[in-house]
Amino acid sequence: KQEVTQIPAALSVPEGENLVLNCSFTDSAIYNLQWFRQDPGKGLTSLLLIQSSQREQTSGRLNASLDKSSGRSTLYIAASQPGDSATYLCAVRRETSGSRLTFGEGTQLTVNP
Amino acid sequence: DAGVTQSPTHLIKTRGQQVTLRCSPISGHKSVSWYQQVLGQGPQFIFQYYEKEERGRGNFPDRFSARQFPNYSSELNVNALLLGDSALYLCASGRVSDFYNEQFFGPGTRLTVL
Repeated sequence: KQEVTQIPAALSVPEGENLVLNCSFTDSAIYNLQWFRQDPGKGLTSLLLIQSSQREQTSGRLNASLDKSSGRSTLYIAASQPGDSATYLCAVRRETSGSRLTFGEGTQLTVNP
Repeated sequence: DAGVTQSPTHLIKTRGQQVTLRCSPISGHKSVSWYQQVLGQGPQFIFQYYEKEERGRGNFPDRFSARQFPNYSSELNVNALLLGDSALYLCASGRVSDFYNEQFFGPGTRLTVL
């Protein structure tokens, strides 16, 4: 059974700081991994998707890496801003699971002005 | 283009009642998945429907059922509601034929069971 863990559960940083969010998964037989952002009480916004054959993806100030063999992914946020405050979730899709995603419990990020 | 839409936004029910939640996928997406997110936790997979057939089911009781219509919209039904069914219900759509099959989520329906 696939399990996804995100560390830390919560993070508070001053504006402008670079930060790293961690995601680990127990079964390396994944098809891809998605990082999402969730604002309080809202739906999920897709940030980045990394295929299992890829090492990293970048979008603006966000960079996600994937090490499939070790079961780890990181989301790097450069020059954090108060508007980045949200919960960040990673989710993996297993090779044979169709569209089913297995989520971690998220990292709640607060960026203080 | 419109994103994934869900209705209603909020819903309050009492124990034992039945509820129907609705989802419309992004135009061109034929796959719809449902997730339950309890406060403070990550979403849990309930169902996937593709081309009007169930393609996957998570670890949820038979009180949960769903269907997909010819226009690819979907309904999630929950019978005999329990207090523990209170959650944010999320719908996601994707293009299965696309290599990446990125999943896009709607805003969710907040269900409160009293």
